[in-house]
Amino acid sequence: QKEVEQDPGPLSVPEGAIVSLNCTYSNSAFQYFMWYRQYSRKGPELLMYTYSSGNKEDGRFTAQVDKSSKYISLFIRDSQPSDSATYLCAMRLVSGYSTLTFGKGTMLLVSP
Amino acid sequence: SQTIHQWPATLVQPVGSPLSLECTVEGTSNPNLYWYRQAAGRGLQLLFYSVGIGQISSEVPQNLSASRPQDRQFILSSKKLLLSDSGFYLCAWSLPSGRLGSQIETQYFGPGTRLLVL
Repeated sequence: QKEVEQDPGPLSVPEGAIVSLNCTYSNSAFQYFMWYRQYSRKGPELLMYTYSSGNKEDGRFTAQVDKSSKYISLFIRDSQPSDSATYLCAMRLVSGYSTLTFGKGTMLLVSP
Repeated sequence: SQTIHQWPATLVQPVGSPLSLECTVEGTSNPNLYWYRQAAGRGLQLLFYSVGIGQISSEVPQNLSASRPQDRQFILSSKKLLLSDSGFYLCAWSLPSGRLGSQIETQYFGPGTRLLVL
């Protein structure tokens, strides 16, 4: 079983739809969780990060973490064509120096 | 504010030729630095990371090497490129452990270099 699983998509939705992107993980020691957005041929940019279970909201984006189920989600409300990109989840351990473990990314296509 | 630069943006090289990709960070001191490769369908693969000048950790054995000659400069090299070295190479930085605000150690990525080995 891979440490982080993420459906590669593509996920196609019409403009204005609510989008749900998800990752599951196997290592219960992961404590910090991040979502990156990557446009084609560009470097990933950090969208959101969270530590605790529960929801964190930033504009149209909501990150949700359920540590008991080892499941994280990113919700996008009122999706726009400019949201079309690949979304990568990432996570890391708590103590000491540790590198990030990334999902492979989900491609999202929002049609006007 | 911090910025990260990578060059070149695109590179086409023949098999067996050498490689040198450069990454520099501005606006912070003593950052952690990372080199990743992203190949289609394989996600982000961490190649090297560095917590200070001259300190390099390798994650994946291969014909690539990394060096950190200055605090905010990170170089990825190869003596002889292979076809399998083609990919999108990304440099990233994060605040070091113990620095204010570094608890998350979130990584910030550069624009990337697209390498095609023919």
